[in-house]
Amino acid sequence: AQSVTQPDIHITVSEGASLELRCNYSYGATPYLFWYVQSPGQGLQLLLKYFSGDTLVQGIKGFEAEFKRSQSSFNLRKPSVHWSDAAEYFCAVGAGGYQKVTFGTGTKLQVIP
Amino acid sequence: DGGITQSPKYLFRKEGQNVTLSCEQNLNHDAMYWYRQDPGQGLRLIYYSQIVNDFQKGDIAEGYSVSREKKESFPLTVTSAQKNPTAFYLCASSIRGEENQPQHFGDGTRLSIL
Repeated sequence: AQSVTQPDIHITVSEGASLELRCNYSYGATPYLFWYVQSPGQGLQLLLKYFSGDTLVQGIKGFEAEFKRSQSSFNLRKPSVHWSDAAEYFCAVGAGGYQKVTFGTGTKLQVIP
Repeated sequence: DGGITQSPKYLFRKEGQNVTLSCEQNLNHDAMYWYRQDPGQGLRLIYYSQIVNDFQKGDIAEGYSVSREKKESFPLTVTSAQKNPTAFYLCASSIRGEENQPQHFGDGTRLSIL
């Protein structure tokens, strides 16, 4: 079975600074990878996904993520953070087909002026 | 606009009571899911359904029940057997496919104990 780890529970960055949120997965084959964002009291919104092909994936809101097979990682990045990016971010991994997707425990992002 | 509607937004349960959370989607998705979210634990899968009249248990199905009589609807019942029901419940849906498809989420129902 697949698993996913988000090592950082909480991250604080200054507005305008760059951001990298870490995600490590465990799965024997090429996984299906996702990043979602959740604002307080809301559902999750898909930021980007990786299925195959180019290892650098572009998403919405200026986010990107890079799949690194050798490191079993799928880190989320943004060059310049805006105050509206403050939210909780979830990495998720799937095994394909009708297998369930497993979510990480989330990283809460705080943005300070 | 298409989307997923969860109701109610807040729900209170008395001891020994069953409560039902509603989830409706107009995205024409075949697959639907229920997750429980607790602080620091991420999302845990309760039940999922790939097609009408069929559903499977997820990781934490004990104390919950579901039905899938219509494609658009996937209600979740939190029974009195669920001893710690206080949580944020999220419903999601996706299309079916050979790969895992991105899930679309509702805005959740927060359940509390009276």
